[in-house]
Amino acid sequence: KAGVTQTPRYLIKTRGQQVTLSCSPISGHRSVSWYQQTPGQGLQFLFEYFSETQRNKGNFPGRFSGRQFSNSRSEMNVSTLELGDSALYLCASSLEPNQPQHFGDGTRLSIL
Amino acid sequence: ELKVEQNPLFLSMQEGKNYTIYCNYSTTSDRLYWYRQDPGKSLESLFVLLSNGAVKQEGRLMASLDTKARLSTLHITAAVHDLSATYFCAVGKIGTASKLTFGTGTRLQVTL
Repeated sequence: KAGVTQTPRYLIKTRGQQVTLSCSPISGHRSVSWYQQTPGQGLQFLFEYFSETQRNKGNFPGRFSGRQFSNSRSEMNVSTLELGDSALYLCASSLEPNQPQHFGDGTRLSIL
Repeated sequence: ELKVEQNPLFLSMQEGKNYTIYCNYSTTSDRLYWYRQDPGKSLESLFVLLSNGAVKQEGRLMASLDTKARLSTLHITAAVHDLSATYFCAVGKIGTASKLTFGTGTRLQVTL
């Protein structure tokens, strides 16, 4: 059974650009959550989607947005990139909300 | 606001020794997770603890939960080098259990 797949694995952008990250959950999983991991702030929750609806949102500015498609795949978008957005972005999926989450390998985003 | 404190931040231990990692959280929560992360890798789920007094064991690792004290412990028995990694606890708050709040992580280094 394939795990959570995140693409791309690595990404380099410059300040002011925007970026879209993709996450394909484990087959049958309908809930997708996103987290940001940085050395300074650790792991922080970004948002959670279920049935194409955002259920929870973390304390991030509006530049961070996401969506979920009918096949449960999810994307997150960051606009007007800042140096501080450099991080490992992790996607996690679960069968339904509040169930144990399984994490993907992440997308490492570097901002120059 | 839910806060999760983990200690120690760094732990260097010899093979064969025992040690415990502590995870304290600030408000009543629904469930507690322990994850392992190897350098450059994603999070691997170790344990899910759902109720007061829950104890789970896998190999040389044992996790327990005391909801009254808002404390979870991860006990390492007779450490081996392969256990070297960063260990995170994460707490899901009642009602929004998918929105995990992570501890700072404990970097465990097991030396020969």
